[in-house]
Amino acid sequence: QVQLQESGPGLVKPSETLSLTCTVSGDSVSGYYWSWIRQPPGKGLEWIAYIYYRGDTNYNPSLKRRVTISVDTSKNQFSLKLNSVTAADTAVYYCARVAYDSSHYYYKFDYWGQGTLVTVSS
Amino acid sequence: EIVLTQSPGTLSLSPGERATLSCRASQRVNSNYLAWYQQKPGQAPRLLFCGASSRATAIPDRFSCSGSGTDFTLTISRLEPEDFAVYFCQQYANSPLTFGGGTKVEIK
Repeated sequence: QVQLQESGPGLVKPSETLSLTCTVSGDSVSGYYWSWIRQPPGKGLEWIAYIYYRGDTNYNPSLKRRVTISVDTSKNQFSLKLNSVTAADTAVYYCARVAYDSSHYYYKFDYWGQGTLVTVSS
Repeated sequence: EIVLTQSPGTLSLSPGERATLSCRASQRVNSNYLAWYQQKPGQAPRLLFCGASSRATAIPDRFSCSGSGTDFTLTISRLEPEDFAVYFCQQYANSPLTFGGGTKVEIK
């Protein structure tokens, strides 16, 4: 059973950089796409970015200028950096795996981490 | 960007009743690449596998997905207590990937 676990600071100051890591267990990051999704408290979901294990990336244009997603296959992890944060970036951040079936990737998310709340505040 | 509009915002129903949730897209969703998720308080969303190809991790038969083009529906034929939750739709036909605002199914 694939499991994902987010880790990183729960509090970030405005204008600083939010950094999160997702550790994957139960399977290898190799062969899959991996993603970050966020959810402000009481609100809906926003896709941030995804990365292929070989390093190919795709970003949401609304966040692209401030986001970097990376993968470390040796550690079976992938990471998110979001710079110049403001209070609007306060959210639960989820890492997730892109679904794969019958040799095809479907950009929906079949495994999720439990989520980590990141609050932007001084 | 494809904007997804879910309705109603809240659905108040009793166990055993039928729930019909709508997701409307601002433009055609090619190949019907539209997914549904269930989210309970304090939990991550859970993908609802509607396709026969994924029956190994399928959802109960009382859940069914339908629709094409711009109009999609998630139907829960008879609500069980564990079905009361928030449901989101997501399109994965175009980038950026987008989600609907959600429908809360609450106990009446």
